[in-house]
Amino acid sequence: KQEVTQIPAALSVPEGENLVLNCSFTDSAIYNLQWFRQDPGKGLTSLLLIQSSQREQTSGRLNASLDKSSGRSTLYIAASQPGDSATYLCAVPNFNKFYFGSGTKLNVKP
Amino acid sequence: KAGVTQTPRYLIKTRGQQVTLSCSPISGHRSVSWYQQTPGQGLQFLFEYFSETQRNKGNFPGRFSGRQFSNSRSEMNVSTLELGDSALYLCASSLVPGYNEQFFGPGTRLTVL
Repeated sequence: KQEVTQIPAALSVPEGENLVLNCSFTDSAIYNLQWFRQDPGKGLTSLLLIQSSQREQTSGRLNASLDKSSGRSTLYIAASQPGDSATYLCAVPNFNKFYFGSGTKLNVKP
Repeated sequence: KAGVTQTPRYLIKTRGQQVTLSCSPISGHRSVSWYQQTPGQGLQFLFEYFSETQRNKGNFPGRFSGRQFSNSRSEMNVSTLELGDSALYLCASSLVPGYNEQFFGPGTRLTVL
């Protein structure tokens, strides 16, 4: 069974800082990995989808990398802003189920 | 293009009642998955539907059931509600099952008293 872990569980940084969120998974035979953002009490917003054949995917200030062999993905957020405050989750599909990490709760202080 | 819609957004029920939640996927998407999110357990997969067939089911009791209609809309039903069923229920749609990008709805917040 695929297990997904996210470290750290919570992160508080001052505005403008660059930061890295980590996601690790136990079964490296993945087809893709997806990063989401969730605001309190809301649904999930898709941020980036990395296919297994890709090593990186970028969208604006976000950059996600994938290293299948080591079972790791990172989400890099450049020049963080208070509006980036949310919980960030990664998810991997495995046999038609999606397995989610428990998330990293990010607080960007003005 | 409209996103995934879920109705109702909020529900309050009492123990023993049953509830039906609805999800309309993005136009053209044929796969619908359901998840339960609680503070203690995080996001847990409930089931996935494609072409009106349940393709996969998570580790939940038989009180949780669902179905998908020919227009890809999906409903999930929880019978004999328990306090522990209080959660945010999220629906996600994708073009086809398995490995495509998933798009989530805003969720239905169910409170069981």
